[in-house]
Amino acid sequence: EAQVTQNPRYLITVTGKKLTVTCSQNMNHEYMSWYRQDPGLGLRQIYYSMNVEVTDKGDVPEGYKVSRKEKRNFPLILESPSPNQTSLYFCASSPKGRPSPLHFGNGTRLTVT
Amino acid sequence: GQQLNQSPQSMFIQEGEDVSMNCTSSSIFNTWLWYKQDPGEGPVLLIALYKAGELTSNGRLTAQFGITRKDSFLNISASIPSDVGIYFCAGLSNAGNNRKLIWGLGTSLAVNP
Repeated sequence: EAQVTQNPRYLITVTGKKLTVTCSQNMNHEYMSWYRQDPGLGLRQIYYSMNVEVTDKGDVPEGYKVSRKEKRNFPLILESPSPNQTSLYFCASSPKGRPSPLHFGNGTRLTVT
Repeated sequence: GQQLNQSPQSMFIQEGEDVSMNCTSSSIFNTWLWYKQDPGEGPVLLIALYKAGELTSNGRLTAQFGITRKDSFLNISASIPSDVGIYFCAGLSNAGNNRKLIWGLGTSLAVNP
């Protein structure tokens, strides 16, 4: 089944403790992206990647890092999480070529205390 | 960041009624997308529109890409309880190579059986 898989689905952590949210897609998509979703603010792009070893900042990259060492994986790294990073995070992917809709994962709900 | 103007913000209807929601933008888009998000899940694509004036159906759903390329609407006919959820519009801005989606804040739909 074609899908974008995020792990974990839920995560509660404390301020300053480094964490990684994994994202993997099995559709051989070139493009991948991370969004965060907050009430009243909608979905905002954090980082995106056009292909392996090619990443760039979205609208709200502060406090986040990403890497794209393999085509299928696009982990989101929070080196020193803070409470304002409490949010619902989505990973998404799409193939290159004609503007293609994004396929989303099921989300990771992160709480930073 | 930029957002689309999506209305209405919420709707509460009776099963069997038709539903209409729309999105407007101050910018032109080349692609309009409509997604549905169920609680605890990621957005799922309903309809993609690629051409101004295009009218596309997916079962009981119909969406149109406005002639000005600055708006789109989604209609749901004969609503059923499983239509409950949040509906998002998104415009695809081909800013460079980033498949950046500009999102509306969503229309929350409740259906009374």
